[in-house]
This record gives sequence, structure tokens and C-alpha cells, in this order.
Amino acid sequence: GAGVSQTPSNKVTEKGKYVELRCDPISGHTALYWYRQSLGQGPEFLIYFQGTGAADDSGLPNDRFFAVRPEGSVSTLKIQRTERGDSAVYLCASRGEGLSGELFFGEGSRLTVL
Amino acid sequence: DAKTTQPPSMDCAEGRAANLPCNHSTISGNEYVYWYRQIHSQGPQYIIHGLKNNETNEMASLIITEDRKSSTLILPHATLRDTAVYYCIVRTINSGYALNFGKGTSLLVTP
Repeated sequence: GAGVSQTPSNKVTEKGKYVELRCDPISGHTALYWYRQSLGQGPEFLIYFQGTGAADDSGLPNDRFFAVRPEGSVSTLKIQRTERGDSAVYLCASRGEGLSGELFFGEGSRLTVL
Repeated sequence: DAKTTQPPSMDCAEGRAANLPCNHSTISGNEYVYWYRQIHSQGPQYIIHGLKNNETNEMASLIITEDRKSSTLILPHATLRDTAVYYCIVRTINSGYALNFGKGTSLLVTP
């Protein structure tokens, strides 16, 4: 597609369950970012991929959060043993090699943990 | 990346210019000023960026002070669809480092 695609758009789960959120970046974009946004707050950085490798995962809040990008395109954010505090919108962005350094964001996946 | 300070909220009448300020007094020489906006329930959208010269595109103008310690995003003729949260961010261009958004300015454009 033309833009960054995220699935599912909405996910409701129960406390303690495992969740996967998928991001399909713009074709050819080597950089991919995951952010988390709580109500009334700006997006909070989680992890950044350059190609297949996680170049910076300093934003992941704890070891329940993990992300992969095995072929350098699609990425999956995985959350184990979900907690109510994990409820947020999870945003994915990708960036090409153009001079602007612009990030292109998807619409986000809204996660609700009951 | 340098930190930024923005007012939490602003109002603007439709058709008027919206001037959104941003302070970035600790900006370093190789850091650019970026502006993004986020319309309700959507992902952030790039607006414009600049280093030290004023910039203009089809969406907005960016005015950066000579000492680069502050900037203003100008929406010349605000419409209701410009109601959004506007984020001012400073970073090195194409840095691997992620954008740090802060809370931004919530702009309300009124009829």
C-alpha cells in the first residue's frame, strides 16, 4: 500500500494474555519505529529498527515487550502477560533515505487490556 | 536531542493565521526543527522542518529566530480541519534517534 499499515486497528484483551501488533511499513523504507501513546500524552518512543536489527530499544518499558523485524520490512510488536497499564494506542512509523528525515506514521493499533 | 517548550493550548478563528511558538534554547548546531501534527484518532503527520532559514511549503511556514533558540509555525489561513495537536521537535536529520514528541500544543480552530 501507499502508507504505513497497522493491524489490528483495535484489540481488546484480558489481563495476562499475549498480544501481537503488526506494522507494514512503506515499501523500501529501511527505518521503522514503534511508539506508544496514552490518552492526553504525546507519542512515547519504544524501539527503532534499521533493517532487520533493533538499533535502539531503550524505550521498551520492560521485558514483557519485544519486537521483531525478521526480513527488514514487516514488524511485529509482542506484549506478554498484558497489564491494564499497557492500554494505549501503539503507533508505527517508517522513514526512507530522503533528505527530509520525515517519519510516516500509521493510524495506530488501539490496545485495551481489561 | 534538545528539549522543546510549547504552550499547552491555543485558539484561533477560522480564516485567521495561527502562530504556534516553540522554545528550543538548548538546540545544537546540527539539529533541525521539525513540526508534526496529530489530528484526533490519527497518526502524527509531518508538516515542515528547517535548520536556520525560514521555510515554507503548501501546509505552513516556519520562522526560526536568528539565534535558533525559538521558532514559530504559521498556518496562514487556519481552517477547522487544522484543529489538532502540534508537536515541535528538534533532532539531527536522518538520525537513527527517535523523535521525542512531548505534549505539544492543542490548537482549536473555531468558526
